[in-house]
Amino acid sequence: AQRVTQPEKLLSVFKGAPVELKCNYSYSGSPELFWYVQYSRQRLQLLLRHISRESIKGFTADLNKGETSFHLKKPFAQEEDSAMYYCALFNYGGATNKLIFGTGTLLAVQP
Amino acid sequence: DVKVTQSSRYLVKRTGEKVFLECVQDMDHENMFWYRQDPGLGLRLIYFSYDVKMKEKGDIPEGYSVSREKKERFSLILESASTNQTSMYLCASSSSTYYQPQHFGDGTRLSIL
Repeated sequence: AQRVTQPEKLLSVFKGAPVELKCNYSYSGSPELFWYVQYSRQRLQLLLRHISRESIKGFTADLNKGETSFHLKKPFAQEEDSAMYYCALFNYGGATNKLIFGTGTLLAVQP
Repeated sequence: DVKVTQSSRYLVKRTGEKVFLECVQDMDHENMFWYRQDPGLGLRLIYFSYDVKMKEKGDIPEGYSVSREKKERFSLILESASTNQTSMYLCASSSSTYYQPQHFGDGTRLSIL
C-alpha cells in the first residue's frame, strides 16, 4: 500500500544548526514526491518537489530509492523556518491525481 | 498565481445542523479536493473531484458529501454535523497534468458545539 511516514512529530533545533526532516515512503511504482510547508496562520504551500532538483529557501531533498526516503535538509536553520512540514507522495490514478500526505513534522527553531 | 478561496476562515455550528463549506479556484483546474487537518493525523482526504459532477470518496468520507456543479466550485456538505467533525478543513485544486502540485486555500476552522 502507498504510504508516507514522517517519524518525528516535533523537531527542535537551535538557530544555525543543521536540520533534517525525515520522510520515508512506500510505493509500488516510480515515486514522485513533494515537500509542503505551513507557516503559522498561513496556507499550506509547496516547498519543493524532487523532480525539480531545486533548492528553495536553502532546503534540499534527495530521493533515495534504495532507502525509500526523501529527507528534507538545510545546513543552517533560521528562526523563520519554524513551521509544519509535510512530505507527500504523488499517486497517479488515471482519472485523477492524488497526494498521500505524511502526518507532518513541526520544526521549531530556537534563537 | 493560483488562487483557491474558501468562503469562511472560522465557522461555528450546532450539532445536527447541515453545514456547507465552499471553495472556489480561479485556474481552471480539473481536480479539486477536500481534506481535514487534525494534530498528529496530518491531512486526510475526504472527497475529491476530477471533473464537473464527478466525485470520488477519499479516505474518510463518512458523514460528508460534496457537490461540483461548476468547474471552479467544490462544496463540502456535512449532512448532520457532529462534534467529532470539529476540525480544520482545507480545499485544494490541481491540474490533471501528471505530477502537478496541489494548491491550497487558507482553510476553514469549523467548530461544532
